[in-house]
Amino acid sequence: GAVVSQHPSRVICKSGTSVKIECRSLDFQATTMFWYRQFPKQSLMLMATSNEGSKATYEQGVEKDKFLINHASLTLSTLTVTSAHPEDSSFYICSARGLAGPHNEQFFGPGTRLTVL
Amino acid sequence: AQSVTQPDIHITVSEGASLELRCNYSYGATPYLFWYVQSPGQGLQLLLKYFSGDTLVQGIKGFEAEFKRSQSSFNLRKPSVHWSDAAEYFCAVGEHTGNQFYFGTGTSLTVIP
Repeated sequence: GAVVSQHPSRVICKSGTSVKIECRSLDFQATTMFWYRQFPKQSLMLMATSNEGSKATYEQGVEKDKFLINHASLTLSTLTVTSAHPEDSSFYICSARGLAGPHNEQFFGPGTRLTVL
Repeated sequence: AQSVTQPDIHITVSEGASLELRCNYSYGATPYLFWYVQSPGQGLQLLLKYFSGDTLVQGIKGFEAEFKRSQSSFNLRKPSVHWSDAAEYFCAVGEHTGNQFYFGTGTSLTVIP
C-alpha cells in the first residue's frame, strides 16, 4: 500500500526558533499533500493543501507567513513553523494523494509532535 | 455544507463485547466514506473505506461498516472487541471532486477487562 513518512516524529524547540517538518510519499508520487493540525483530544484540522510546484492554499485562520509550506517535488512537502511559540505546540499530520489515487483517497503520515518551550 | 458527526465522544465496552460506533454525514451526493483509528501519539490508520457497490464493507482487524443512504450513516462495528482496540476512532467523508476531507470529532474507545 501507499506509505507516507514524516520526519521528525518528535521535536522540542525553544520559543522563537523555526522548525521544519518533512512529509514524504515513499512509494508513489503525490500530486497533492495536505497538512493537518491536531490538538489533544480533538479531531484533525486541515491547515493547508499543497500541489507540487505551486503555492499552498491555506485554510481560513491559518497564517501563511507562520506556517510555510513547500511542495518542491512529487514526493516531498515541508512545513516550516516560523518563530514558534508555545501555542504552536501540537501534533502535525500530513497526508498525500497520488496521481492515480482512487476516489480521492488520502494516505496519512504518522505525525510529528511539536513541543515549543 | 458538508459535515461529519460522531455523536459518541467516549464509549466504554468490556473485552469480548460487541461494538458499534456511530457516524452520520451531511453531503450533497454519495460520499466517499472512511474510518480511521488512532492510537495515542500515533498517526491515522485506515480501517476501511466505502466508495461504491456493496454497502457492507469489511476492513482490517475484524471491523466492518455499513453505508445506509437513507440514514446518512456509516456506522462501524466489531463483533468482539479486544483490549488492543482501545483508541480514538475517526469517521471521514471525502469529496468526489476537489480535495477536501471532512473529519468527525472522534470517538474515544475504552476497553475494560
